[in-house]
Amino acid sequence: QQPVQSPQAVILREGEDAVINCSSSKALYSVHWYRQKHGEAPVFLMILLKGGEQKGHDKISASFNEKKQQSSLYLTASQLSYSGTYFCGTGNNAGNMLTFGGGTRLMVKP
Amino acid sequence: KAGVTQTPRYLIKTRGQQVTLSCSPISGHRSVSWYQQTPGQGLQFLFEYFSETQRNKGNFPGRFSGRQFSNSRSEMNVSTLELGDSALYLCASRYRQVSTDTQYFGPGTRLTVL
Repeated sequence: QQPVQSPQAVILREGEDAVINCSSSKALYSVHWYRQKHGEAPVFLMILLKGGEQKGHDKISASFNEKKQQSSLYLTASQLSYSGTYFCGTGNNAGNMLTFGGGTRLMVKP
Repeated sequence: KAGVTQTPRYLIKTRGQQVTLSCSPISGHRSVSWYQQTPGQGLQFLFEYFSETQRNKGNFPGRFSGRQFSNSRSEMNVSTLELGDSALYLCASRYRQVSTDTQYFGPGTRLTVL
């Protein structure tokens, strides 16, 4: 079952914040976040492995709520370089392949 | 460490033909997964190989097949190509076949079927 991402698209001005959500109907073992720029491969951002975990680097962070079976990606003080499509990938048992959400298209304007 | 590499990067074929795509994982990674990416469908999982065995398979017809060699390199084959097979095919590798391992993507092979 594919995780559901929301919103599907968002447009920001430089310096604004955004939140991207990823929800699953199944219990999650892991949540992986990627960003893909047009014409390029998805680039790994971060992985969350247990409920309550929060991670971040630079001004991008994420949280994992195991009970709610969801994760959120937070982009603060967005930069032009943040533009792209963000995908969450979920692992719902220890050995399973990742299932990706439909993506959230983020555009940051000057 | 070198990243995941895929060859060729671009391919143009006609309907009915077959095609083979190649993927070399990051050194030491034993799991290779293949995805099809189209504008309308996002990242669709095709299959995953680990230690030369297919471990997981997505919901694609039997025209899509793959294999993995002893050096972990993988190939995927699509027979009797259809127009709808036009897509970006991405391969990704991870060290083990566990969902807690990070998966790294290659640059993809863009296949156009005419």
